[in-house]
Amino acid sequence: QSALTQPASVSGSPGQSITISCTGTSSDVGSYNLVSWYQQHPGKAPKFMIYEGNKRPSGVASRFSGSKSGNTASLTISGLQAEDEADYYCCSYAGSSTWVFGTGTKVTVL
Amino acid sequence: EVQLVESGGGLVQPGGSLRLSCAASGFTFSSSAMSWVRQAPGKGLEWVSSLSAAGGRTYYADSVKGPFTISRDNSKNTLFLQMNSLRADDTAVYYCAKGGGYGDAGFDYWGQGTLVTVSS
Repeated sequence: QSALTQPASVSGSPGQSITISCTGTSSDVGSYNLVSWYQQHPGKAPKFMIYEGNKRPSGVASRFSGSKSGNTASLTISGLQAEDEADYYCCSYAGSSTWVFGTGTKVTVL
Repeated sequence: EVQLVESGGGLVQPGGSLRLSCAASGFTFSSSAMSWVRQAPGKGLEWVSSLSAAGGRTYYADSVKGPFTISRDNSKNTLFLQMNSLRADDTAVYYCAKGGGYGDAGFDYWGQGTLVTVSS
């Protein structure tokens, strides 16, 4: 149950696009279409942003999108806004009813 | 509106026990798998445990298997986490989350968390 690997930080200017990677293994990300992404502002609970790799729950802005290739999933934020500054975590089903989160990425809006 | 409200956190000595509760409302609790996820101070999220909707199937991270027990009372819409033999590295904010079960895509709703501090 090793954590998925994410870059520690990613930054961009307002209006730009950024992409956060999430690298796992053939036992988790690579085996299941069950990668989800969470946004967490300081002192707040995580918020469900993307599921099944590329689907958005109701209420999540369309500038958030997800994808997956092999053992790596990605979250892209297009048209970056100041309110997008937060920590982002990926999560994958890892088999046998277990889940594994990523190491987390701090997004800074310059 | 889905609401998850955790309680029961606090300061406990190493080796001690604590029982966390999570009161749920706004959805059909008895039809939903539920989970606990924790976050150590300044650290990332860690999946701790999940429980099937009926409560018959439990799943644990290796780091808590044995000392922690997840359970639920569907008549009271409440999820529990019994934590025994607590260690300093169990210090974290513990979040109750909806989902994490068979057929779930992740954890779609979260509580605000309850802080557990293990220290002498």
